[in-house]
Amino acid sequence: LAKTTQPISMDSYEGQEVNITCSHNNIATNDYITWYQQFPSQGPRFIIQGYKTKVTNEVASLFIPADRKSSTLSLPRVSLSDTAVYYCLVGPLDTGRRALTFGSGTRLQVQP
Amino acid sequence: GAVVSQHPSWVICKSGTSVKIECRSLDFQATTMFWYRQFPKQSLMLMATSNEGSKATYEQGVEKDKFLINHASLTLSTLTVTSAHPEDSSFYICSASRSSNQPQHFGDGTRLSIL
Repeated sequence: LAKTTQPISMDSYEGQEVNITCSHNNIATNDYITWYQQFPSQGPRFIIQGYKTKVTNEVASLFIPADRKSSTLSLPRVSLSDTAVYYCLVGPLDTGRRALTFGSGTRLQVQP
Repeated sequence: GAVVSQHPSWVICKSGTSVKIECRSLDFQATTMFWYRQFPKQSLMLMATSNEGSKATYEQGVEKDKFLINHASLTLSTLTVTSAHPEDSSFYICSASRSSNQPQHFGDGTRLSIL
């Protein structure tokens, strides 16, 4: 799986938009980008997945430039409950049958 | 709702005790499940891949005789920490996927504390 690089931590305030960027320079042609969220003492939770351009769901948006060497997770109007660690993973779509390699993730702290 | 369930959510026991952790896929069959371990402030580290009907595949450095994995059915994998010691205290998390091209779902983890 392609190696990823994310900021170790980010701080934000309630109501702000938060953008977390992940670098994956060695992404392969058949790799997808997947983001997970993890709250303390819980397992990671799938947020969003994409291959190129933009993907949006009820939770977040994922922006992927044409060269796909990076991606940005965008959380609109964060609240205190968005305080968590966010992991960016890159790998083939069939990762359902493969173990996932987690990087260090980005620890997001949302303050009132 | 949750699609992967872990039990128990936390365990506190004495050194030398063996502890079993269950991971269940609730509404799908999982021929493959994964077990991870996470220490405080650190990322998830893969321990082993659990394969239904066959032996588990362990990552380098993980003692298979220490961490026994049984995947006897398509909806249940168990991880048994044998003769647990304080250094085995950690957060253990399992995952599974409905199919090969769908994201993995994780259990809520098991906090293991060995006194």
